[in-house]
Amino acid sequence: QQQVKQSPQSLIVQKGGISIINCAYENTAFDYFPWYQQFPGKGPALLIAIRPDVSEKKEGRFTISFNKSAKQFSLHIMDSQPGDSATYFCAASISGNQFYFGTGTSLTVIP
Amino acid sequence: NAGVTQTPKFQVLKTGQSMTLQCAQDMNHEYMSWYRQDPGMGLRLIHYSVGAGITDQGEVPNGYNVSRSTTEDFPLRLLSAAPSQTSVYFCASSYSFRSTEAFFGQGTRLTVV
Repeated sequence: QQQVKQSPQSLIVQKGGISIINCAYENTAFDYFPWYQQFPGKGPALLIAIRPDVSEKKEGRFTISFNKSAKQFSLHIMDSQPGDSATYFCAASISGNQFYFGTGTSLTVIP
Repeated sequence: NAGVTQTPKFQVLKTGQSMTLQCAQDMNHEYMSWYRQDPGMGLRLIHYSVGAGITDQGEVPNGYNVSRSTTEDFPLRLLSAAPSQTSVYFCASSYSFRSTEAFFGQGTRLTVV
């Protein structure tokens, strides 16, 4: 049973466009929601994270939107660049305890 | 400062063989964990350790053993490899059990034939 559901599986965006990846969860005890970025042949690396006491967090071109009532959160990449082409994973945990990852989204940004 | 180092990067095993995937970190992190990454499944936790001498099972522990004799090292053992264990394995470490950032190694791609 997937604790965190992620969509879409793959995404193709033109350079300069907005990339949006969505995740949903069921366990209301989750209190930490990170996004990881993974390049081919590399391990995942923390990109940005949010706690449920805020509805949005922005770091540069990357924004997490969080909807606690809907139990959904999403990653928005503004002004997408070819260098953003990677696999993105959302995750959820309880106070940094065991992390549950989504199934990943392969993002391709076309020049 | 190398971060999290995994060896080997690639391995092919025959069914029934045993092997150990090595993981070492030089950040003095207390918390270490092993994940497997499969297409369409994301990353799933196999085993984790909150400190030297302490280990526990994650989401998919069957077929794997771990030990943590030092803070730096957290090896993952496959006692009798099965084709279902073909996967990419990632080791990760965090400052402590409640830390929110995990640092991942570069992965070991294992194929069991």
